[in-house]
Amino acid sequence: AQSVTQPDIHITVSEGASLELRCNYSYGATPYLFWYVQSPGQGLQLLLKYFSGDTLVQGIKGFEAEFKRSQSSFNLRKPSVHWSDAAEYFCAVDSRGAGNMLTFGGGTRLMVKP
Amino acid sequence: ETGVTQTPRHLVMGMTNKKSLKCEQHLGHNAMYWYKQSAKKPLELMFVYNFKEQTENNSVPSRFSPECPNSSHLFLHLHTLQPEDSALYLCASSQGHRGYEQYFGPGTRLTVT
Repeated sequence: AQSVTQPDIHITVSEGASLELRCNYSYGATPYLFWYVQSPGQGLQLLLKYFSGDTLVQGIKGFEAEFKRSQSSFNLRKPSVHWSDAAEYFCAVDSRGAGNMLTFGGGTRLMVKP
Repeated sequence: ETGVTQTPRHLVMGMTNKKSLKCEQHLGHNAMYWYKQSAKKPLELMFVYNFKEQTENNSVPSRFSPECPNSSHLFLHLHTLQPEDSALYLCASSQGHRGYEQYFGPGTRLTVT
């Protein structure tokens, strides 16, 4: 069965610093890949997605992610973090099988220091 | 209303009560989903509906009963729940059921007493 691992449960960065959130997946073929963000009391909002093509994808709010097939990774990055980026971030994988079945990682909670 | 809406936003119920959660999507999508989000656990897919037909039941206990009368509305009927069922229940929709991103509602925070 496919699985998604986000190794960092909590990350704290200073405002203005760069950010990288890690995501590794376990699946034989190249799946569809997503990053979602969840603010407290809210649902999940899509930041970006990778289906095919250029392995560096741009998303909303200045985020980007890079798909690395050899490492089965899809890490999320932002060059300069803003206080409003404090939230929980989820990586998700769609196996491209029958049905749109998303498997989510456990999430990374980001805290931003002033 | 835009996007995916869920009502109520908060619900407290006893173990012997019957209640329903409602989800409505205003995006013209064809697929709808129920997820359970518990503290310290990954999001769990519960049910998937595509064109009103249930295509996935992820081994969910029968005390949770979904209903999808049309492509815009999704319900989750609850009865004789357990305290461990307390969680945030998220509804989502997507244009199709393969290769499309899902759009999420704000969730219903359920507390079972």
